[in-house]
Amino acid sequence: EVQLVESGGGLVKPGGSLRLSCAASGFTFSSYSMNWVRQAPGKGLEWVSSISSSSSYIYYADSVKGRFTISRDNAKNSLYLQMNSLRAEDTAVYYCARDKAVAGSGLDYWGQGTLVTVSS
Amino acid sequence: DIQMTQSPSTLSASVGDRVTITCRASQSISSWLAWYQQKPGKAPKLLIYKASSLESGVPSRFSGSGSGTEFTLTISSLQPDDFATYYCQQYNSYSVTFGGGTKVEIK
Repeated sequence: EVQLVESGGGLVKPGGSLRLSCAASGFTFSSYSMNWVRQAPGKGLEWVSSISSSSSYIYYADSVKGRFTISRDNAKNSLYLQMNSLRAEDTAVYYCARDKAVAGSGLDYWGQGTLVTVSS
Repeated sequence: DIQMTQSPSTLSASVGDRVTITCRASQSISSWLAWYQQKPGKAPKLLIYKASSLESGVPSRFSGSGSGTEFTLTISSLQPDDFATYYCQQYNSYSVTFGGGTKVEIK
């Protein structure tokens, strides 16, 4: 069974940093591109970042470029999101999600999400 | 960046109704479009990928169509479990964009 479990969320002050993790199981993690998607309270979905299976291709939304860094450790079946210079508008539930086997064909498995709250 | 515009933002319907949601892209995305269903407090669930391919395990009352800039999600006969928010999502080589969402409510 495919499972994605996020962790690392919490309360952080504006300007602070946080590192999210996503532990993957039930599939060959090293074969899939992965994503972070966030959802502010009561709002819609916003894609944050993508990383290809071998980390060769990395993309970010303009809203987080230069502040967030996506990475992965295929040996540990784990995905990460390092978030620096956090702002109030980064407050959201952060989901990790797997690309279908063919990239660009949708995100077929999602974690339960981890809440990040940026507030003084 | 490619913008995705969904309509309507809210839709009131009854069980058994045929429901159609539209998603328009600001430029052509070929068939690189997916649809998701999200219920409160839950992660989104993939329904349709590549504009018209039904994800495994998704009921056949869900269907998708379109290409280029205009796409639709149709629920042929709305069931009680279908009351939720639906999102379209486009993919191009460098970024992903979601539509604003359509909330399907009980009439």
